[in-house]
Amino acid sequence: SQKIEQNSEALNIQEGKTATLTCNYTNYSPAYLQWYRQDPGRGPVFLLLIRENEKEKRKERLKVTFDTTLKQSLFHITASQPADSATYLCALDLKGGATNKLIFGTGTLLAVQP
Amino acid sequence: NAGVTQTPKFQVLKTGQSMTLQCAQDMNHEYMSWYRQDPGMGLRLIHYSVGAGITDQGEVPNGYNVSRSTTEDFPLRLLSAAPSQTSVYFCASSDPTSGRTKNIQYFGAGTRLSVL
Repeated sequence: SQKIEQNSEALNIQEGKTATLTCNYTNYSPAYLQWYRQDPGRGPVFLLLIRENEKEKRKERLKVTFDTTLKQSLFHITASQPADSATYLCALDLKGGATNKLIFGTGTLLAVQP
Repeated sequence: NAGVTQTPKFQVLKTGQSMTLQCAQDMNHEYMSWYRQDPGMGLRLIHYSVGAGITDQGEVPNGYNVSRSTTEDFPLRLLSAAPSQTSVYFCASSDPTSGRTKNIQYFGAGTRLSVL
């Protein structure tokens, strides 16, 4: 069956450390993988996009890796801050999939302790 | 620039009632979508539209209708509300002309719906 999985439990880390969130999928062939941030009571906000033939993308303190052999993406936040506390969603944009149809993971709640 | 605007923010319905969730965007995006978000289920696509007059079903379309008469507006209609439709509903838009970023979704703030 097709699945996309993120850490189901909350991730608690200390301020200043690097947070690493995982997104694993099975039986999908994504052309792109996207990461979003969602704050309580708000809609998701796009953060980063990585293509299947790209190993790594960076944006300020954020880094995303994409391993199509392992069928996994890792999302890193370096020098984490309490303001980074939120739920982070990954989403697959499939090869040959209809335009505008993304498959979303359930999200990982990140809590950064001061 | 307001982006994607959803109304109402909260709604309580009784089983069997109908209502329309409104969504408007001011970014001139051709593509718009409706998602529902439930605990442990992630965002699931209900219906989507690739332009005015064109709509299609997503993963969970039953019990919902959509229409797209203008580029800006994409209302979602609940025909006869059921408790299983208690959820948070998000409208999103995207720009198909933006190359590799064409499927990046711009979301509204959501409508929290309870069906009793």
